[in-house]
Amino acid sequence: DGGITQSPKYLFRKEGQNVTLSCEQNLNHDAMYWYRQDPGQGLRLIYYSQIVNDFQKGDIAEGYSVSREKKESFPLTVTSAQKNPTAFYLCASSHRTGVSYGYTFGSGTRLTVV
Amino acid sequence: SQQGEEDPQALSIQEGENATMNCSYKTSINNLQWYRQNSGRGLVHLILIRSNEREKHSGRLRVTLDTSKKSSSLLITASRAADTASYFCATDEMRNQGGKLIFGQGTELSVKP
Repeated sequence: DGGITQSPKYLFRKEGQNVTLSCEQNLNHDAMYWYRQDPGQGLRLIYYSQIVNDFQKGDIAEGYSVSREKKESFPLTVTSAQKNPTAFYLCASSHRTGVSYGYTFGSGTRLTVV
Repeated sequence: SQQGEEDPQALSIQEGENATMNCSYKTSINNLQWYRQNSGRGLVHLILIRSNEREKHSGRLRVTLDTSKKSSSLLITASRAADTASYFCATDEMRNQGGKLIFGQGTELSVKP
């Protein structure tokens, strides 16, 4: 079945440590997105990518980095520069941008700083 | 930046009743979408309404869009306990050529059996 897979489901980070969250899709979608969700809040856009080897900053990109070397994969690195990384991270994908399609979401990664 | 503002923030109803959630936004849009999120899970796409449409139905869901008032509503008829979830509106703004969606804060719906 086609879908989008995020791993791990839970992740614990020590102070000053970089961690990478995985996002893989087999839907042949061109565009991929990373959102952050804090308790009881909506989603805020971190980074998005419309095409391989290209990505743009969202509203809260500081302290995060991404790469898009393959169409299927869009990993997110939470760096030590992100001062408050504890949150629920959601990856999504969609067909070509500029066209009105809905997003398909992964099941999320819950990151906790210990 | 948050485009959509949803109202109410929380809604509690009995099974069988209808649930109405509202979403307001600020800028011109290509389309507006509604998503559902069960606790601790990813979001699931429910329905998309384009800017030139006024009403759309999907099963027990009815969505309306009023571009003059920059608002949308989601109606769930004959609600069930399984409809308990958070519901988010998301807008595809015309000024965003990248097709990124801007999500609202969500409405938390509780349907009591």
